[in-house]
Amino acid sequence: RKEVEQDPGPFNVPEGATVAFNCTYSNSASQSFFWYRQDCRKEPKLLMSVYSSGNEDGRFTAQLNRASQYISLLIRDSKLSDSATYLCVVIRGGATNKLIFGTGTLLAVQP
Amino acid sequence: EAQVTQNPRYLITVTGKKLTVTCSQNMNHEYMSWYRQDPGLGLRQIYYSMNVEVTDKGDVPEGYKVSRKEKRNFPLILESPSPNQTSLYFCASSSRRGEKLLFGSGTQLSVL
Repeated sequence: RKEVEQDPGPFNVPEGATVAFNCTYSNSASQSFFWYRQDCRKEPKLLMSVYSSGNEDGRFTAQLNRASQYISLLIRDSKLSDSATYLCVVIRGGATNKLIFGTGTLLAVQP
Repeated sequence: EAQVTQNPRYLITVTGKKLTVTCSQNMNHEYMSWYRQDPGLGLRQIYYSMNVEVTDKGDVPEGYKVSRKEKRNFPLILESPSPNQTSLYFCASSSRRGEKLLFGSGTQLSVL
């Protein structure tokens, strides 16, 4: 089992839809969590950090569920420009502080 | 502007011909790292560096070398490239390990 798992998709949604992705992690010592966005063949870019209490940035909401060991990303009012791959990143706790990347979820917003 | 500069953007080479991919950051970051990205496998860490003259293996270091003689530069060296090293490579940096990463724009390498 991978340490960080994501549904690869693709998620095909119409413009204006609300879409949510989950990401599960297996290491209960994981301390920090991020969502990155990656456009095709481009570099990943930080979308948002995920805080324990949940956090929102415009149309994007990130949540953390430590008990069930997953994080989620909710996108409201989807735009064509939201089409991308969304990478879940978990920082393994302990001495290593290693970043573990999920393989990403592909979102395609249709006109 | 804070950035990680990676060169070249595209590289086609032949088996066994040594090559270097350069990476430079302008943020005085201590931590730098190299990743390769392959379909279905996601980003896998090749090597990382916690500071000048401090480097260590990541998950897939075989066939690669790195050096960190200066804080800003972290080149990736393929002494004898092979076709299984055909991949999309990213350099990244952060203030320290465990912090959010800033990535370079990537190098698409094809080894024939």
